Amino acid sequence: DTEVTQTPKHLVMGMTNKKSLKCEQHMGHRAMYWYKQKAKKPPELMFVYSYEKLSINESVPSRFSPECPNSSLLNLHLHALQPEDSALYLCASSQDWGGRAYGYTFGSGTRLTVV
Amino acid sequence: AQSVTQLGSHVSVSEGALVLLRCNYSSSVPPYLFWYVQYPNQGLQLLLKYTSAATLVKGINGFEAEFKKSETSFHLTKPSAHMSDAAEYFCAVSEAGRGSNYKLTFGKGTLLTVNP
Repeated sequence: DTEVTQTPKHLVMGMTNKKSLKCEQHMGHRAMYWYKQKAKKPPELMFVYSYEKLSINESVPSRFSPECPNSSLLNLHLHALQPEDSALYLCASSQDWGGRAYGYTFGSGTRLTVV
Repeated sequence: AQSVTQLGSHVSVSEGALVLLRCNYSSSVPPYLFWYVQYPNQGLQLLLKYTSAATLVKGINGFEAEFKKSETSFHLTKPSAHMSDAAEYFCAVSEAGRGSNYKLTFGKGTLLTVNP
C-alpha cells in the first residue's frame, strides 16, 4: 500500500457544525502533515505530527483541532468554521522526518465548503 | 528562511514542444528541492527531488531538473510535451521550521497548458 487515503472527498458544513476529516496511511511513515490549499494557490502548512506528537502548529486558529490516534491515522476536527475556511485540505506523510530524503506522499484531499 | 520563486504563473506550449518551468531558490545552505505536480481536483505527486547526490535529477513521466548553484536555479524540463502533462507544477524547498523540525514550503505554482 503506497497511498494516503483521505475521507470524505467532499464535505459541506454549516458554521455551527462539528465535523472531522480523516487521513490514513499504511506505509509505516512516522511523520504526517495537514495542508490547506485555496483555489489557484499553493498548499500552506497547518500542522506536522512526528512520531504521533504534534511538532509544528503554524498558528492555526483553534477551530481546527488535529489529532493523531496512532501512527497510521491523522484526524482534523472542525468546529465553528467560517466561509473563508472553505478550501482543499490535503494530508501528507513522509518516510523520514521532514521528508527531506524521499519527499512527501499526498492524499487526494477533502474539498470543504462552509456555508 | 529558505524560499523558492517560480517565474511565470502560466506557461503554454504546443504538444511535442520543449517544456521549461523555472524555479529559483534562496538559501544560505545546500537546499533540499522538489518538484510536485497537481492535476485538477487531485493531491500533489512528487516528480523529482534534489538532495545533493547529483546535479541532474531525473524524475517520473520524462521530466528532469538541473540544480545550478551558480544561478540558484532548479528548472524543470521535458523534451516533448504531451497533452497529459497539463497540470499545475509546484517547486518546493524543505526548510527548517520551529525547533529542529523541517517543513516543505511551496512556490506559487506554474500552470502548464498544452495545445494540440
